[in-house]
Amino acid sequence: KAGVTQTPRYLIKTRGQQVTLSCSPISGHRSVSWYQQTPGQGLQFLFEYFSETQRNKGNFPGRFSGRQFSNSRSEMNVSTLELGDSALYLCASSPMGAGQETQYFGPGTRLLVL
Amino acid sequence: SQQGEEDPQALSIQEGENATMNCSYKTSINNLQWYRQNSGRGLVHLILIRSNEREKHSGRLRVTLDTSKKSSSLLITASRAADTASYFCATGLSGNTPLVFGKGTRLSVIA
Repeated sequence: KAGVTQTPRYLIKTRGQQVTLSCSPISGHRSVSWYQQTPGQGLQFLFEYFSETQRNKGNFPGRFSGRQFSNSRSEMNVSTLELGDSALYLCASSPMGAGQETQYFGPGTRLLVL
Repeated sequence: SQQGEEDPQALSIQEGENATMNCSYKTSINNLQWYRQNSGRGLVHLILIRSNEREKHSGRLRVTLDTSKKSSSLLITASRAADTASYFCATGLSGNTPLVFGKGTRLSVIA
């Protein structure tokens, strides 16, 4: 099976812009989770989608949103970018749920906000 | 907020030596998982150990879990330069709550 893929791999944006990141899970996986990784805060959970519904949400402002499509592909959007949004954004998929089984991670999208 | 905390934050050893990393957590868990991350890349799953298990092995990896002390350890035996990476523990709680990751241990294996 193909692994989790994320596009784009690298992105440079300026403050105030918005960005959309994409994640394609492993075939058959219905759960997709998103994480933000920064040197200072480590891995912070953003949200989890399962069968097109947001099942869990982390402690991030409303500028961070996501969705999942019927083929389980997921997108996350960040509006009104701030310098502090510079980070590695990781998505992970699993068959049924984020906390109970192995998570398979994509390579990440590195976002730089100038 | 971080549930798991790894110790030490950084570890440097010679090739061939064993590396031990510890993880402590605060609340009851359903499972504990260890992941590896090579510089700036995605995480790779190493081992999942459930709360009713005490020890698991996978190749050169050995994970123990002590639920009474709320702690786990990851032992890498006969380490290699290719083991150089950051290692994270993550705790899975009950229900559909998401994994919570610690901040990781950065392991450097010197050839």
